[in-house]
Parts: sequence; structure tokens; C-alpha cells
Amino acid sequence: AQRVTQPEKLLSVFKGAPVELKCNYSYSGSPELFWYVQYSRQRLQLLLRHISRESIKGFTADLNKGETSFHLKKPFAQEEDSAMYYCALWEYGNKLVFGAGTILRVKS
Amino acid sequence: KAGVTQTPRYLIKTRGQQVTLSCSPISGHRSVSWYQQTPGQGLQFLFEYFSETQRNKGNFPGRFSGRQFSNSRSEMNVSTLELGDSALYLCASSPVRGLMAYNEQFFGPGTRLTVL
Repeated sequence: AQRVTQPEKLLSVFKGAPVELKCNYSYSGSPELFWYVQYSRQRLQLLLRHISRESIKGFTADLNKGETSFHLKKPFAQEEDSAMYYCALWEYGNKLVFGAGTILRVKS
Repeated sequence: KAGVTQTPRYLIKTRGQQVTLSCSPISGHRSVSWYQQTPGQGLQFLFEYFSETQRNKGNFPGRFSGRQFSNSRSEMNVSTLELGDSALYLCASSPVRGLMAYNEQFFGPGTRLTVL
């Protein structure tokens, strides 16, 4: 079965510190991966997808097929980045498989 | 454009009852997907509807069902409720199916179902 693993339930960093939210996947085909974010009392929203290779709100994620990883990175964390982050894998049939999520807390 | 709306926002039911949740997609969106969010299992795909047809289904028992109407509004139904069905149920809409639609997929606020 296809799987998405986010090993950290909680990641706590200081403002200005680098952030790396880990995501590993298992998928037999060519993976399509996404990061979603859910801020407190807000809706789940798409942050970025690997195919677009964009930087959104300073976040980037590189697909590493050798390590089957899609880690989310930001060089300098800001307090407004505090949220729940989900890594997700798109499966044929228009279905998203989500990881368990990582809570990011940015301390001042 | 108005966002995805879900009604009701909160529900309390008892075991054995059934419940119907509603999702109104963004105008012009034809695909509606449903997800269950729980602290233990995280976000899990329930099913997807497009053009009034169920196109994909997750690993949930037959007590979970849904439908989509001609105006793309969707409902999901859970029969014979169990305590473990307590969750936040999210729906998401997109204009079309498939990978290219994900940039235009938007989630609703969810319906919080509590089963006592």
C-alpha cells in the first residue's frame, strides 16, 4: 500500500531558525507529492506541490526519489508559520493519501 | 466566489443513529471529495464524486455512503453510527478531476461529528 510517513508529531523551533519538516513516502510509480497546511481555526489549504517547484511563503520542498523523501524547508522560521503541516501523495484515481501531520511551533 | 460550505458545522448523535452531512462546492466545481480527520488516524480519503457519479472510494465500511446532485452539491451519509465515527469530516471541491486540478482544490471548514 502507498504510504506517507511524517515521523515528527511536533517540531518546535525558535523564530529565525531553519525549519525542516520531514516526509517519506512509498509508492510504486512516479510520485506526485504535496504539502498542505492548516493554520489555527482555518481551513486546510494547499501549500505547494513538487511539480510546480515553487516557493510559497518561503517554503520549498524537493523530491528526492533515491531517499523517497519530500521534506519541507524554510531557512528562517516566522511565528506565523506555526500550524499543522501535512504531506500528501496523490494516487491514481484522484485520491490523496495523507501523512499523520506535524505541528510546527515557532517560538519567539 | 463563495468558498466551499459544509452543513451542519457541528452534530451530536448517539450510537446506532444515522447522519447526513452536506457539502456545497465552489460554483463551477464538479468534483467533490470527502475526508475523515481524526486525531488517531489523521486525514483519510472517503470518496470522490464527479458528475453525480462516485469515482473513487477509500477503505471505509459500507455504512459510509454518499451522493452528488446535478448542481454538484454532495451529501455523505453514515448509518448505524459507532463511537469511532466521531471525527471532523472535510469536503473539498475542484473544477475537474485529476492531478492538474489540485492547484484549484479548496477545502470546506468541516463538520464536527460527535457520537455518544
